[in-house]
Amino acid sequence: DIQMTQSPSSLSASVGDRVTITCRASQSISSYLNWYQQKPGKAPKLLIYAASSLQSGVPSRFSGSGSGTDFTLTISSLQPEDFATYYCQQSYSTLYTFGPGTKVDIK
Amino acid sequence: QVQLQESGPGLVKPSETLSLTCTVSGGSISSYYWSWIRQPPGKGLEWIGYIYYSGSTNYNPSLKSRVTISVDTSKNQFSLKLSSVTAADTAVYYCARDRRYCSGGSCYSVYGMDVWGQGTTVTVSS
Repeated sequence: DIQMTQSPSSLSASVGDRVTITCRASQSISSYLNWYQQKPGKAPKLLIYAASSLQSGVPSRFSGSGSGTDFTLTISSLQPEDFATYYCQQSYSTLYTFGPGTKVDIK
Repeated sequence: QVQLQESGPGLVKPSETLSLTCTVSGGSISSYYWSWIRQPPGKGLEWIGYIYYSGSTNYNPSLKSRVTISVDTSKNQFSLKLSSVTAADTAVYYCARDRRYCSGGSCYSVYGMDVWGQGTTVTVSS
């Protein structure tokens, strides 16, 4: 199995802050990396696919980068609606795996 | 716009079979892959498996012996069966569309799971 790790596991930030979340794969996954946002009681929402492509309708303050084993999700200016848990997910292997999540809450 | 809706019993007894259906509306089930994902209370996401509209499947090895995913294109639905459930199978179960790039007979999972159902809570308890 390809193991996915994320750091930090949680962070506190203020509106307007720049936030960066890191995701690491246990082996190279090329650019087969997706990012999801999940709010309490809601289904996950796709933000970024193929490591750096913005899903339609997602605000441009979200961006993704990386390839191989190391990836980042950046929120350029945190908005009130961005407080949520973020998951990375690899689709390189036929066994999809998710990272453990990073919870972003209000400072 | 495509929407997904999970349905099925919210309570299942230990050792019995969990059965859920995902209904696709606003679009066709054809030409896409479809996944099931679950999330135990307070925990992260676990991918269960996917099915292509043609019926080919792939399952998480950790659940493979207990999982069956099937598709009914005439009803625009796909289904999940999980047998011999225990309390560890208590979770919110989601269905999702798994968009892929297909070329030359091969498909590559590059577009992520772009449409999700709202999720349905299944509790395993006697």
